[in-house]
Amino acid sequence: GAVVSQHPSRVICKSGTSVKIECRSLDFQATTMFWYRQFPKQSLMLMATSNEGSKATYEQGVEKDKFLINHASLTLSTLTVTSAHPEDSSFYICSASPLAGGNTDTQYFGPGTRLTVL
Amino acid sequence: QQQVKQSPQSLIVQKGGISIINCAYENTAFDYFPWYQQFPGKGPALLIAIRPDVSEKKEGRFTISFNKSAKQFSLHIMDSQPGDSATYFCAASSTGGGNKLTFGTGTQLKVEL
Repeated sequence: GAVVSQHPSRVICKSGTSVKIECRSLDFQATTMFWYRQFPKQSLMLMATSNEGSKATYEQGVEKDKFLINHASLTLSTLTVTSAHPEDSSFYICSASPLAGGNTDTQYFGPGTRLTVL
Repeated sequence: QQQVKQSPQSLIVQKGGISIINCAYENTAFDYFPWYQQFPGKGPALLIAIRPDVSEKKEGRFTISFNKSAKQFSLHIMDSQPGDSATYFCAASSTGGGNKLTFGTGTQLKVEL
């Protein structure tokens, strides 16, 4: 149980285009989803917290107009990187916390999406 | 105050040995301490987690030791295997902080034959 999927797993795009990444909790409902980015050999950096039906909360230094987050349902959150540039190339990972049960503070992570902007 | 300090940065252990990774925190509001294992190109996978009301938790070969007064916790991997070679992250969160995880910097573990 507690499986989180991401799509796509890998994407290559041209500079200036927008890319959408989907995060789904497959076997549980998630009231909260989180988006992280990770550079090679570094730790995970939280970008934003996404709650179903409300606006995402962005961490300091993260441009909300560049990284659009939509949490349309209790099992789906999307991250859209708008007007992507090479410096946006990174590994993007989502996580989800169960709505109910004893582990509502546990985050289950997706497999990640490797974004390369040419 | 939000930092979680993790050491060592890298670790080499012989097969069958014990791997020990340490973390320390400052924020006394933290009330949940998970450990994640990450293989290259994959997302982190939850290994084991502990809450401050217990001093130790064991799941298979993995044990968390927790010292509330010292604000430290550690991961012990018993009988380390080559398949355990991965990057390990400690983390901490607080209920009052919206359960946002603060991650350590990671430890790259290599288990040699």
